[in-house]
Amino acid sequence: EAQVTQNPRYLITVTGKKLTVTCSQNMNHEYMSWYRQDPGLGLRQIYYSMNVEVTDKGDVPEGYKVSRKEKRNFPLILESPSPNQTSLYFCASGAGPNEQFFGPGTRLTVL
Amino acid sequence: AQRVTQPEKLLSVFKGAPVELKCNYSYSGSPELFWYVQYSRQRLQLLLRHISRESIKGFTADLNKGETSFHLKKPFAQEEDSAMYYCALTPLRGIYNQGGKLIFGQGTELSVKP
Repeated sequence: EAQVTQNPRYLITVTGKKLTVTCSQNMNHEYMSWYRQDPGLGLRQIYYSMNVEVTDKGDVPEGYKVSRKEKRNFPLILESPSPNQTSLYFCASGAGPNEQFFGPGTRLTVL
Repeated sequence: AQRVTQPEKLLSVFKGAPVELKCNYSYSGSPELFWYVQYSRQRLQLLLRHISRESIKGFTADLNKGETSFHLKKPFAQEEDSAMYYCALTPLRGIYNQGGKLIFGQGTELSVKP
């Protein structure tokens, strides 16, 4: 089954404790992207990747890192999480930004 | 600056009534525009793209470059249309290079009452 998976789905952590949210797709898509969804703000793009080893900033990259060492994986790294990074995070993949398949979301709470 | 604005946070209509979800954008070049939908407890999914000029689930959207709008319309709303709708824009940088940015609006929650 074609899908985008994210792990974990729910995470509660404390300020400053490094964490990684994984994203994996099995559709051989070149394009992958991370978004955060906050009430009243909609979805905002954090980082995207056009292909392996090619990443670029979206609108809200501060406090996040990504890597794209393999085509199928695009992990989101929070080196030192802060409470303002409490949000619902979505990973997506596609042939390009014009048709994306979204993951189920990861709800992150930073205390 | 590139921006997508959905002025209504919540739109409530009765079943069978026409519905129009508004979307305005700000971009000096040629954009590609989309509508995404998120049903309760489901993933965000693409509803339609302006380039394909399709009608999906009875919804249509026309790009109006003069008014910089891409409103989503359906003549007769159904209860199963209740969901969160997001308008989104990706800047086009020529035919072959689209870049990777996708800019979403704030979303409009559509509630269709019986």
